[in-house]
Amino acid sequence: DIVMTQTPLSLSVTPGQPASISCKSSQSLLHSDGKTYLFWYLQRPGQSVQLLMYEVSNRFSGVPDRFSGSGSGTDFTLKISRLEAEDVGVYYCMQTIQIPHTFGQGTKLEIK
Amino acid sequence: EVQLVESGGGLVQPGGSLRLSCAASGFIFSSYWMSWVRQAPGKGLEWVANINQPGNEKNYVDSVKGRFTISRDNAKNSLYLQMNSLRAEDTGVYYCVSFRLGWGQGTLVTVSS
Repeated sequence: DIVMTQTPLSLSVTPGQPASISCKSSQSLLHSDGKTYLFWYLQRPGQSVQLLMYEVSNRFSGVPDRFSGSGSGTDFTLKISRLEAEDVGVYYCMQTIQIPHTFGQGTKLEIK
Repeated sequence: EVQLVESGGGLVQPGGSLRLSCAASGFIFSSYWMSWVRQAPGKGLEWVANINQPGNEKNYVDSVKGRFTISRDNAKNSLYLQMNSLRAEDTGVYYCVSFRLGWGQGTLVTVSS
């Protein structure tokens, strides 16, 4: 199974400041079709899960442009350029290149 | 707007069965792989199973193989998860998911005597 490792596991950031979450996979997520199957999701407190980014760096519809994704192969990063209160929650990376699909442990982002 | 609405959760005794359903709308359901993902209380996310567009390719996490069956009815825009021989460790919220489109609100399954 591909192991997804997120760091840090918790993060406390002042509003207006940047935040960054790292996700490392135990195997390359680059498929032979040229796509890299790495997703980022956010679970706000008490809510379901929403898609932020797909294929590393593509923002889903309605996701603010303060969110950006980067990386390749096995190393990926989600960045928030200026934190807002609505960004609090748990962030997960996930791979879908191999069965079983696997998630990172989650990074809990709080407002300082 | 993409909508995924799960139903069928509840309290069941160990060894019992449940069938989860997911009603999809707002997108062409028959064009997408679909998955079930679960979340144990206070824990992270775990992919459980997926199914391809026509329903003839299915995959499962090892812990549910032989006990759970995923299926779909494209005519009814519906996804299902038949869960047999349930165990306490199957307890959690089960989400119906299209990874590229969205997640449902989840349905709670509690396995306890």
